[in-house]
Amino acid sequence: AIQMTQSPSYLSASVGDRVTISCRPSQDVGNKLGWYQQSAGKAPKLLISNASFLQSGVSPRFSGSKSGTDFTLTINSLQPEDFATYYCLQDSNYPFTFGPGTTVDIK
Amino acid sequence: QLLLQESGPGLVKPSETLSLTCTVSGASTSSSGDFWGWIRQPPGKGLEWIGNVYFSGNAYYNPSVKSRVTISVDTSKNQFSLRLTSLTATDTAIYYCARAPVAGRGYYDYWGQGILVTVSS
Repeated sequence: AIQMTQSPSYLSASVGDRVTISCRPSQDVGNKLGWYQQSAGKAPKLLISNASFLQSGVSPRFSGSKSGTDFTLTINSLQPEDFATYYCLQDSNYPFTFGPGTTVDIK
Repeated sequence: QLLLQESGPGLVKPSETLSLTCTVSGASTSSSGDFWGWIRQPPGKGLEWIGNVYFSGNAYYNPSVKSRVTISVDTSKNQFSLRLTSLTATDTAIYYCARAPVAGRGYYDYWGQGILVTVSS
């Protein structure tokens, strides 16, 4: 199975900050990677699919990119509702695998 | 508005079998364009993909549970189901059903609210 590494596992930031979260698969997944936001007690919410495609209704403060085999989620101008845990998911190969998550907390 | 709703027991005894159902509204489980999945999350931990099923009944499973899991679809009821046998405490988790809008893919754009299943005697 493809192993997903996310970094950092935890970050503390302030409202208005720009934050980046990285996801590195153990092997090439092409562009088949998505990003999810999970707020406390809620189901995950799809933010980005296919590495960089912003889902309908998701704030343009969120963006996804790929460089080489590494993927990045960027949140510009962090808002109070953005404090949550973020997961990447590769769906290139079975079994689909999630990253361990990055918790974004209020500084 | 596409909605998914999980149903099933909240408490199951060790060694028993878990059966969960996901009822879909606002979309059809007989659609050839969609993929229907189950994902779980142990309390306080990360997400684990369990498997997907297609309208035809073809299913794909995580090897971590493959010997114990069956995911099926009932297009007449617009539902799909998860069956997990030989439960242990490590199966305690919130179980989510979800829809992937492209068959064969695993990006899930609609999720149920989740159902907490506790395995305990």
